[in-house]
Amino acid sequence: DIQMTQSPASLSASLEEIVTITCQPSQDIGNYLSWYQQKPGKSPQLLIHSATSLADGVPSRFSGSRSGTQYSLKINRLQVEDTGIYYCLQGYSAPWTFGGGTKLELK
Amino acid sequence: EVQLVESGGGLVQPGRSLKLSCAASGFTFSNYYMAWVRQAPKKGLEWVATISTSGSRTYYPDSVKGRFTISRDNAKSSLYLQMNSLKSEDTATYYCARHNSGYGDYFDYWGQGVMVTVSS
Repeated sequence: DIQMTQSPASLSASLEEIVTITCQPSQDIGNYLSWYQQKPGKSPQLLIHSATSLADGVPSRFSGSRSGTQYSLKINRLQVEDTGIYYCLQGYSAPWTFGGGTKLELK
Repeated sequence: EVQLVESGGGLVQPGRSLKLSCAASGFTFSNYYMAWVRQAPKKGLEWVATISTSGSRTYYPDSVKGRFTISRDNAKSSLYLQMNSLKSEDTATYYCARHNSGYGDYFDYWGQGVMVTVSS
């Protein structure tokens, strides 16, 4: 199984700050990585797929990138509504596996 | 608008069975793989099962293989999860999700979730 190491586990940032969350798979997954946001008491929502493609309706301050085997989710100009837990998912092979999550709070 | 509405959750004793349902609307159900993803209380996300468009192929992680069965009825735009031999560690919120299997696999729409509690 492919293990997804996500960091940091928690993060506190200020309004308008730039935030970066990373995921490292245990083996090559190409660009088959997606990012999800989960707000308290709600279901997850797709933000990014195929490592860099923004999902429909997602604000442009969210972006995904890949550098070698490390994948990143970047939030430009953090807003109040961006607080929640963020997960990455490898879509390369079954069993499809999520990262452990990053809890993002406002400072 | 894509909508996924789960039902069938509740409290069940260890070793017993439960069947979850998911009613889909707003898209051509038969054109998409579908999946179940769960989240134990205060824990992360775990993929549980996926079914192909026709239902001929199913996929499970080892944690539920042999106990859970995913199925679908394309005529009714409905997805199901039959859960047998339930264990306390199956306690979780179960989400129905549309499984996009184009360029890589990801879950592009999710239901609101249904809670399953396995306890005596």
